Amino acid sequence: SQQGEEDPQALSIQEGENATMNCSYKTSINNLQWYRQNSGRGLVHLILIRSNEREKHSGRLRVTLDTSKKSSSLLITASRAADTASYFCATVGSNDYKLSFGAGTTVTVRA
Amino acid sequence: GAGVSQTPSNKVTEKGKYVELRCDPISGHTALYWYRQSLGQGPEFLIYFQGTGAADDSGLPNDRFFAVRPEGSVSTLKIQRTERGDSAVYLCASSTTTRINEQFFGPGTRLTVL
Repeated sequence: SQQGEEDPQALSIQEGENATMNCSYKTSINNLQWYRQNSGRGLVHLILIRSNEREKHSGRLRVTLDTSKKSSSLLITASRAADTASYFCATVGSNDYKLSFGAGTTVTVRA
Repeated sequence: GAGVSQTPSNKVTEKGKYVELRCDPISGHTALYWYRQSLGQGPEFLIYFQGTGAADDSGLPNDRFFAVRPEGSVSTLKIQRTERGDSAVYLCASSTTTRINEQFFGPGTRLTVL
């Protein structure tokens, strides 16, 4: 079963614009991670945010976590065509190791 | 260094056949995971190995699915009597024991059951 739900399911933006996607989850977590997947194949790890953190940055990526609302957001600034991909959030429960993924957000960046 | 590799990259088989999917983890990674991703969905956990033993196989959908890791390195996911519903991308990931939250994924095997 999927722990997380991403919103929106699909997003189309112009190159240079920002892309924001959200993830909601159901149970308490140890950490939350975001992954990118191109062409339905290998997953690339983008960023990990722990349950005691509220915000994290990595390059053009900004992730927030609100454990009281059980939600996270991923912001990609100044998007590029190469950012076209599916983005997944995945949670890891306390004392757990399994990644529980949402269904993903498909992002299309138009040149 | 080399990442996680998976073979074959694509496998087409007929309903009822037996298939084996191979995963070669990153050298030195003692933890290995298998996930399955159906079309339009996120990956779902199947099984977790710590060394040679399956520490958690709670995600295997039924007894047609089995996985081994006899020497604590390469793992093989075996599916007997394949069904059309088994069609999916099978992803393997590995990690160190001390950093189990940092899982590195392979490119996956796309299994199509006709």
